[in-house]
Amino acid sequence: GIQVEQSPPDLILQEGANSTLRCNFSDSVNNLQWFHQNPWGQLINLFYIPSGTKQNGRLSATTVATERYSLLYISSSQTTDSGVYFCAVNQAGTALIFGKGTTLSVSS
Amino acid sequence: GAVVSQHPSWVICKSGTSVKIECRSLDFQATTMFWYRQFPKQSLMLMATSNEGSKATYEQGVEKDKFLINHASLTLSTLTVTSAHPEDSSFYICSARDRRPGVAYNEQFFGPGTRLTVL
Repeated sequence: GIQVEQSPPDLILQEGANSTLRCNFSDSVNNLQWFHQNPWGQLINLFYIPSGTKQNGRLSATTVATERYSLLYISSSQTTDSGVYFCAVNQAGTALIFGKGTTLSVSS
Repeated sequence: GAVVSQHPSWVICKSGTSVKIECRSLDFQATTMFWYRQFPKQSLMLMATSNEGSKATYEQGVEKDKFLINHASLTLSTLTVTSAHPEDSSFYICSARDRRPGVAYNEQFFGPGTRLTVL
């Protein structure tokens, strides 16, 4: 099956710093989604981004499908950005396969 | 749109009892729903794919007789953990695809999860 690797596994930032999270996947996919899991476990949809670039406020994401990777950018990080960020991919009609996540800690 | 709910949010039960978890698509119909399990500090692992009106498809290593899935309607799938034991304690999350026009075919929407603790 498809392998999804996320890096770095852990990231510690000072408030206001920028960061880049990476997701590599082992096969062609039809979908890639980024999530933020809050302390209560809820997965928050950040981006549906099988290809191209999208931006939403301080967050943006880029997927280069031909090279099988995606990047999530967080600018001017805030303490509320802390949590686990997951990348997940799937092929047509199948379930999402998740990476192991990046745990982000932002301190004030 | 594309809201998925789960009930209950958390449940504590005694070893040997059965627990039912409901997953509902609130504003769309879902012919397919997915069940995941997440242990502390780990990622989400797919357990099974639930198809309306047919048998669920289980991932390798998931006991189908222990984790009973019923997808009886286009808005409801249930996961029953039978004869639960402490090692079944986990966070169970469901997801669904919104097949309405204008929604990306492969995008999945997730419920808030159910935290199961078996004593």
